[in-house]
Amino acid sequence: AQSVSQHNHHVILSEAASLELGCNYSYGGTVNLFWYVQYPGQHLQLLLKYFSGDPLVKGIKGFEAEFIKSKFSFNLRKPSVQWSDTAEYFCAVNAPYSGAGSYQLTFGKGTKLSVIP
Amino acid sequence: DAGVTQSPTHLIKTRGQQVTLRCSPKSGHDTVSWYQQALGQGPQFIFQYYEEEERQRGNFPDRFSGHQFPNYSSELNVNALLLGDSALYLCASSRSTEQFFGPGTRLTVL
Repeated sequence: AQSVSQHNHHVILSEAASLELGCNYSYGGTVNLFWYVQYPGQHLQLLLKYFSGDPLVKGIKGFEAEFIKSKFSFNLRKPSVQWSDTAEYFCAVNAPYSGAGSYQLTFGKGTKLSVIP
Repeated sequence: DAGVTQSPTHLIKTRGQQVTLRCSPKSGHDTVSWYQQALGQGPQFIFQYYEEEERQRGNFPDRFSGHQFPNYSSELNVNALLLGDSALYLCASSRSTEQFFGPGTRLTVL
C-alpha cells in the first residue's frame, strides 16, 4: 500500500519569502501525484497534479512542484509567498495500477503554512 | 456549475447512535469517494462508489457503509457511533482520476 510523508508540520514565513514544502511517497510503481490546499474555512482545492511527462508542473496561484522519481519526492514550491497563501497544504498520491488501491487518494498529514504580513 | 455539495454541515450525535451523511456530486461526475479527516490529520479513504456499487474500500470497519443512487448522489452511513468517529467527513466526486472535494460534514460524537 502507498503512503505519503510531509516533513513539515507547521511552516511560518514572512511575505515575499520563498516556499518549499516537502513530500515523499512510498510506492514502487506508477503514481499520480497531487497537491491540495485547504484555506481557512474552505474545502480542499486542487493546486496542481502530475500524471506523466514533464516532471516540473505548474499549478494555480504561482505554485509549482517537481517530481523526482529517484527520490520518490514531489515537493511544492513558490518563489514569493503572500499572506493569502496562509492555508494547510496536503500532498496526495494515487497508484492507478495497484489493484486493490488503484482508485483511492492517499494523503499526507498536511503542512500548515502561516504567512506573516 | 454547482460543485460537490454535502449535507448536513454539522451534526452532533451520541455514542451508539447511527448517522447518515449525504453528497451530491459535481455535474457530469459519476464516481463518489468518501474520506474521514480527523483533527490535525490528512483525509483517509473510506470507500468509493461507481455505478451504484462499492468499487474500493479503505481500512474502515463494517460499521461504515454507503450507497450510491442512480443520479450518482451518495450516502455514508455510520452505525454504533464511537467517540473516535468524530471528524470531518469529506465527499469527493470524479469522472476520471482527479477528485473534487465538497465542504464536508463535521460530525461530533458525545
